[in-house]
Amino acid sequence: TQLLEQSPQFLSIQEGENLTVYCNSSSVFSSLQWYRQEPGEGPVLLVTVVTGGEVKKLKRLTFQFGDARKDSSLHITAAQPGDTGLYLCAGAPVDDYKLSFGAGTTVTVRA
Amino acid sequence: EAGVVQSPRYKIIEKKQPVAFWCNPISGHNTLYWYLQNLGQGPELLIRYENEEAVDDSQLPKDRFSAERLKGVDSTLKIQPAELGDSAVYLCASSLGGQGVYNEQFFGPGTRLTVL
Repeated sequence: TQLLEQSPQFLSIQEGENLTVYCNSSSVFSSLQWYRQEPGEGPVLLVTVVTGGEVKKLKRLTFQFGDARKDSSLHITAAQPGDTGLYLCAGAPVDDYKLSFGAGTTVTVRA
Repeated sequence: EAGVVQSPRYKIIEKKQPVAFWCNPISGHNTLYWYLQNLGQGPELLIRYENEEAVDDSQLPKDRFSAERLKGVDSTLKIQPAELGDSAVYLCASSLGGQGVYNEQFFGPGTRLTVL
């Protein structure tokens, strides 16, 4: 059983559309991170959220940490082909330093 | 500034053969991690080093896997003998260190291992 459940597993959209990826858990996290991984490369850190209810924006990407620090979402506005990749959430539970990864959401943006 | 360096990028071996992966972390990063990533899955931690000490190797299959970080800088992960199920991407990551809240890790490109 994964500590972090991501949904959907796959997402294919047309350029210009919006999308949201979810990361859920029953555990409380001291912090949660989002990574993007392209084929043949390692994950690249996009953002870290720490405070419950926190919202961070990175250009067209908006990240939200749930009030209870158990879940997070990633919203992409006007997606572009360059947004294609595997989006991974990762979190460190409050009672454990170890970073646990979700299984990821594969996003494909068609031109 | 150079990122995390891994070599080789790709390795194809026959089962029962040994294989080794090398990682050089970002300069100044005391913590080094080895992860295994299967296709369509997130990375799974194999071992974590704080300087030269392996502080968490609970997920490392010790009958066939070994790792070392002798001088607290670069690290080697070895599999001997390799099995078909070991085919995966082996990722190395590093972070500044400690068990801080942020624990932000920076990943290398990985080594894709294929065992035939």
